[in-house]
Amino acid sequence: NAGVTQTPKFQVLKTGQSMTLQCAQDMNHNSMYWYRQDPGMGLRLIYYSASEGTTDKGEVPNGYNVSRLNKREFSLRLESAAPSQTSVYFCASSESWTGKQFFGPGTRLTVL
Amino acid sequence: ILNVEQSPQSLHVQEGDSTNFTCSFPSSNFYALHWYRWETAKSPEALFVMTLNGDEKKKGRISATLNTKEGYSYLYIKGSQPEDSATYLCAFLNTGTASKLTFGTGTRLQVTL
Repeated sequence: NAGVTQTPKFQVLKTGQSMTLQCAQDMNHNSMYWYRQDPGMGLRLIYYSASEGTTDKGEVPNGYNVSRLNKREFSLRLESAAPSQTSVYFCASSESWTGKQFFGPGTRLTVL
Repeated sequence: ILNVEQSPQSLHVQEGDSTNFTCSFPSSNFYALHWYRWETAKSPEALFVMTLNGDEKKKGRISATLNTKEGYSYLYIKGSQPEDSATYLCAFLNTGTASKLTFGTGTRLQVTL
């Protein structure tokens, strides 16, 4: 089992460009999450999907959109990247909304 | 916004020392408290999920306790080793916010020889 995979690992964008971060899990988990991690801020939830077919906003959703493509995949899209979105992005999944979360390796994004 | 606080922010101990740190969270509407271990350049890994007041969990030299009535959890490491060096995160889940774990900012532990 690969667990939770994310692509790409690194990305540099110019302000205004768009991109999609991909996440997939092979653990048959129902719930999936996108977090960003900034120095001194800890992990902050951007969006989550409690189950296939549903998505909800987290703490910091502005500037992002998500798609729960199927049970395995949950993508995060930046429509018009801004320097404030420079961060490390982590995808995670859990069997249920109460259960421990399994994290992907992260995507380091820099917006110039 | 739920407030989850961890203390201390960072800790530097010597190999063999035992140590502990604290996670404070709102005591109302409690559902679960998670502990994660996060090594530099890696991803967070779950240590414990605790749901009942008085819960104690143990994994090797690491253990955790939970007091939901007063809103705190302690993480203990017995006989610290250099490989214990990591950031330890706690995360709180309450009954009103399904799927939304709220993370603390972590305690960064460094263990030296």
